[in-house]
Amino acid sequence: AQKITQTQPGMFVQEKEAVTLDCTYDTSDQSYGLFWYKQPSSGEMIFLIYQGSYDEQNATEGRYSLNFQKARKSANLVISASQLGDSAMYFCAMGANYGGATNKLIFGTGTLLAVQP
Amino acid sequence: DADVTQTPRNRITKTGKRIMLECSQTKGHDRMYWYRQDPGLGLRLIYYSFDVKDINKGEISDGYSVSRQAQAKFSLSLESAIPNQTALYFCATSGRDYQETQYFGPGTRLLVL
Repeated sequence: AQKITQTQPGMFVQEKEAVTLDCTYDTSDQSYGLFWYKQPSSGEMIFLIYQGSYDEQNATEGRYSLNFQKARKSANLVISASQLGDSAMYFCAMGANYGGATNKLIFGTGTLLAVQP
Repeated sequence: DADVTQTPRNRITKTGKRIMLECSQTKGHDRMYWYRQDPGLGLRLIYYSFDVKDINKGEISDGYSVSRQAQAKFSLSLESAIPNQTALYFCATSGRDYQETQYFGPGTRLLVL
């Protein structure tokens, strides 16, 4: 069965420092996609970054990068130069082949990040 | 204007009442989804629709029903609301490939008393 695990319920980081949010996944599929979403206190889900299972290079989007280690089944999110506005809940998700149909997301339980001035 | 909209944004209802949550999208996507979010559990899939004639149950469909009125509209109904359906509900849309990003609406906060 597909599963996403986020083992850090909460983290603190100092403003301007980098932070890594952990995500491990379990799947028997060869083709899958990994996503990170940000949920600020206002509640909306904001897409941050995507990594395909066949992508050879780690994805980057501005201050966000995804440290993809396929053999270890990990897809950690790295936020560089943290800003106060980065304080939010972060969810890792996998686009899974579920019941024969693709493109349904399975989510982890999230990591709450607090950026301190 | 937002690409994915949900109405209402907040709703309080009583146990046993029937309610409908609505979702509309202007992204032209074929696929639409309903999720619920509970504290500590992340998001879980309720129903999904790959086109107007294709509707499928997700992980937690019991107590819910859906209607895909058009490509752009996907509604979620609680036939007889119960308190443990109190949650934050999200609609999402995507293109056809598993690699396609899902774009979420702003969410509906539902409280069942």
